[in-house]
Amino acid sequence: ETGVTQSPTHLIKTRGQQVTLRCSSQSGHNTVSWYQQALGQGPQFIFQYYREEENGRGNFPPRFSGLQFPNYSSELNVNALELDDSALYLCASSLERVRGEQYFGPGTRLTVT
Amino acid sequence: AQTVTQSQPEMSVQEAETVTLSCTYDTSESDYYLFWYKQPPSRQMILVIRQEAYKQQNATENRFSVNFQKAAKSFSLKISDSQLGDAAMYFCAYRTTSGTYKYIFGTGTRLKVLA
Repeated sequence: ETGVTQSPTHLIKTRGQQVTLRCSSQSGHNTVSWYQQALGQGPQFIFQYYREEENGRGNFPPRFSGLQFPNYSSELNVNALELDDSALYLCASSLERVRGEQYFGPGTRLTVT
Repeated sequence: AQTVTQSQPEMSVQEAETVTLSCTYDTSESDYYLFWYKQPPSRQMILVIRQEAYKQQNATENRFSVNFQKAAKSFSLKISDSQLGDAAMYFCAYRTTSGTYKYIFGTGTRLKVLA
């Protein structure tokens, strides 16, 4: 069974640019959530996708958007990057939307300069 | 809105000793899940233990156990026979059973294990 994978591992972008982060969920998992973890903080919920539909959103502006594909993999897109967007971005997948545990990927470290 | 508080930014424990990490939360819900996650320097969040609010029995996983006090909204993690590999950030997390099912995390406790 393949775990949650994320790409890329690291990337550096310039303020104002756009970025796409990718996540492959664990085999069979139909729910994907994205979190932003600033340095020294706990993860903050960005949004969740269930069967290709957005299922909820945290307190993040619209320039944070996402997609989930038929194979349940997912993308996180961030437009007009700001310095404060520098963080570790974590993807987590779960088998059941209601009571399933979330399994996290290794994260993508985004640095905005 | 639910909140999770970890009041210990850092803890130290001697190898083979026992340490307890604290977590309190606030919610008006009666059914929810609580978790402890470990995040080593490799960054990957690893599930340590989970507790379902409707279960009175405290969860146990090998050397890890919790003290779940629902009325007090307290959820502490006890690590017995601490090992060097236990050194990591530990996050307490709350998850609702309705709506978005998102996780709400505390700010974490850094655990150092001394040889």
